[in-house]
Amino acid sequence: AQKVTQAQTEISVVEKEDVTLDCVYETRDTTYYLFWYKQPPSGELVFLIRRNSFDEQNEISGRYSWNFQKSTSSFNFTITASQVVDSAVYFCALSEAGSNYQLIWGAGTKLIIKP
Amino acid sequence: GAVVSQHPSWVICKSGTSVKIECRSLDFQATTMFWYRQFPKQSLMLMATSNEGSKATYEQGVEKDKFLINHASLTLSTLTVTSAHPEDSSFYICSAQRGDPTETQYFGPGTRLLVL
Repeated sequence: AQKVTQAQTEISVVEKEDVTLDCVYETRDTTYYLFWYKQPPSGELVFLIRRNSFDEQNEISGRYSWNFQKSTSSFNFTITASQVVDSAVYFCALSEAGSNYQLIWGAGTKLIIKP
Repeated sequence: GAVVSQHPSWVICKSGTSVKIECRSLDFQATTMFWYRQFPKQSLMLMATSNEGSKATYEQGVEKDKFLINHASLTLSTLTVTSAHPEDSSFYICSAQRGDPTETQYFGPGTRLLVL
């Protein structure tokens, strides 16, 4: 079974629309960390956020926001007022003690923002 | 802070030659560096983990004699693809991590390798 599931393979929206990328994880550890990375066409992985399992507060950074819900094992990412520059592949990842804190990656969601 | 560079950004070589890729943490000391490989439209696959001054730990299925990793300092790790063949063509990306294993990995821009 996949430990990190990003069920949306590809999402396409028109600029200025809001979009939510889903991430569902699976772990038996009580202490774990969740990450989101952005990979634009250039290939570089850009770190967006790190969240530990004890901090369920939602976070907002400009147009980006994250909703962490332990009850549903989800860590969803929302972009409000999307822009063309947001087009990229977004990866969710899990780090847990049971896996020596190696990053366990989701399959990624390709986000296309149309002008 | 937390900038990681990688050089070269792309390389084309003939089959049988060796290629060295450098990964540097520019503004921090990296306790650990990681090397990943990424196939088109896929997620990242961890190849190996290296700590400064220690031998790298390779993931299952990764040939350590084919992919030589040297972690000479807290800011530099190198990956050498020895006797490269077309099937080694891929996108190689490194990451650097400071502090303990729970900390964030910061990634370099990647190296595209094409073996003819």
